[in-house]
Amino acid sequence: GAGVSQSPRYKVAKRGQDVALRCDPISGHVSLFWYQQALGQGPEFLTYFQNEAQLDKSGLPSDRFFAERPEGSVSTLKIQRTQQEDSAVYLCASSSETGLYSYNEQFFGPGTRLTVL
Amino acid sequence: AQRVTQPEKLLSVFKGAPVELKCNYSYSGSPELFWYVQYSRQRLQLLLRHISRESIKGFTADLNKGETSFHLKKPFAQEEDSAMYYCALTTSGSRLTFGEGTQLTVNP
Repeated sequence: GAGVSQSPRYKVAKRGQDVALRCDPISGHVSLFWYQQALGQGPEFLTYFQNEAQLDKSGLPSDRFFAERPEGSVSTLKIQRTQQEDSAVYLCASSSETGLYSYNEQFFGPGTRLTVL
Repeated sequence: AQRVTQPEKLLSVFKGAPVELKCNYSYSGSPELFWYVQYSRQRLQLLLRHISRESIKGFTADLNKGETSFHLKKPFAQEEDSAMYYCALTTSGSRLTFGEGTQLTVNP
């Protein structure tokens, strides 16, 4: 079946603009994650949903970042008033389910490369 | 807080040579450790996880709790192994903490 998809694949924004990044997880996957990957760095956790509930948003760097998953499927990461330091690849991942003591493989999307000028 | 360290950003070996990608972690409990790989123009994918104790594409990794290490090894590197490798851990079964990655180049 289809993997995780993300759109747009590339986004160029002027400083101060708002952007919205979309993630379509694998059908039926309960858990959805957003990561930010700056150039030359590993991915860093932003936020996590289980169905429509946002269970962890501790990684969001500022209140300019907002994520939602209203129907427990597609998710949108919104960045308001973009800054140059927001330039990065934003990765979405989904997994079938997560438990306190078990890990289910996270399947990653291709990412959205955001460049803020 | 947990942390993953990959001391080598770049690693270059010749085809057929052994390769070892180093990974150290800091966490006082018992995390789950993973190696993820990203081949050129492909998405990030799971290579192996410590609890499965399996060999994938000839790669193995042993969790050493005493040294808090999870080094990735392959006895004979192949050109198709050239990729970016990330060590990662989870303590909660959900969010992953990644290292900075090691770019492996296998030369012919």
